[in-house]
Amino acid sequence: AQSVTQLDSQVPVFEEAPVELRCNYSSSVSVYLFWYVQYPNQGLQLLLKYLSGSTLVKGINGFEAEFNKSQTSFHLRKPSVHISDTAEYFCAVSGFSSGSARQLTFGSGTQLTVLP
Amino acid sequence: DTGVSQNPRHKITKRGQNVTFRCDPISEHNRLYWYRQTLGQGPEFLTYFQNEAQLEKSRLLSDRFSAERPKGSFSTLEIQRTEQGDSAMYLCASRSRASYNEQFFGPGTRLTVL
Repeated sequence: AQSVTQLDSQVPVFEEAPVELRCNYSSSVSVYLFWYVQYPNQGLQLLLKYLSGSTLVKGINGFEAEFNKSQTSFHLRKPSVHISDTAEYFCAVSGFSSGSARQLTFGSGTQLTVLP
Repeated sequence: DTGVSQNPRHKITKRGQNVTFRCDPISEHNRLYWYRQTLGQGPEFLTYFQNEAQLEKSRLLSDRFSAERPKGSFSTLEIQRTEQGDSAMYLCASRSRASYNEQFFGPGTRLTVL
């Protein structure tokens, strides 16, 4: 079984400032890691994913995340945010054993609010 | 670009009524998932289909819930005798056999039980 903890439920930040959204996970098996974004009254859109290889992963809209196995973390970063980045962000994990559903386990989300 | 679609987008019902939601996945995706998202929380897994076979069900899926995917294409989720606690966003996602579990989500169906 896996679990995900998103340490900050709300993050306000001024436009053009950098931001980091924190995510820690626990799992007894190796995992895939994901960040999704959700705009109001919409479904989830994949920002980026870590499968294997380089621990620094780049995604859409200028976001990146770094996988840290020793700290079981997968923090999301953006060097300069825009008003349009205001949304809810979800960290998620799944196991990758063959034959399983590989359902996603999500954190409780972080509301990023970009202020003018 | 035909993504995952869900209908209806919104459903308001009275307690005790039955409701049914539909999900149309991306056409070449043979894996399909249902999740439930309550206010202020992340989505929680409900059930999983591989083609037409329902292979996994969460303990969240009580006896009042049933899901089908009769021809391995679209799926339906039915809730019988709805309760106020069923009020939530119901999300459908699909993925291909070859993907590294990259799931594509639909816009969701928001259920309000009065």
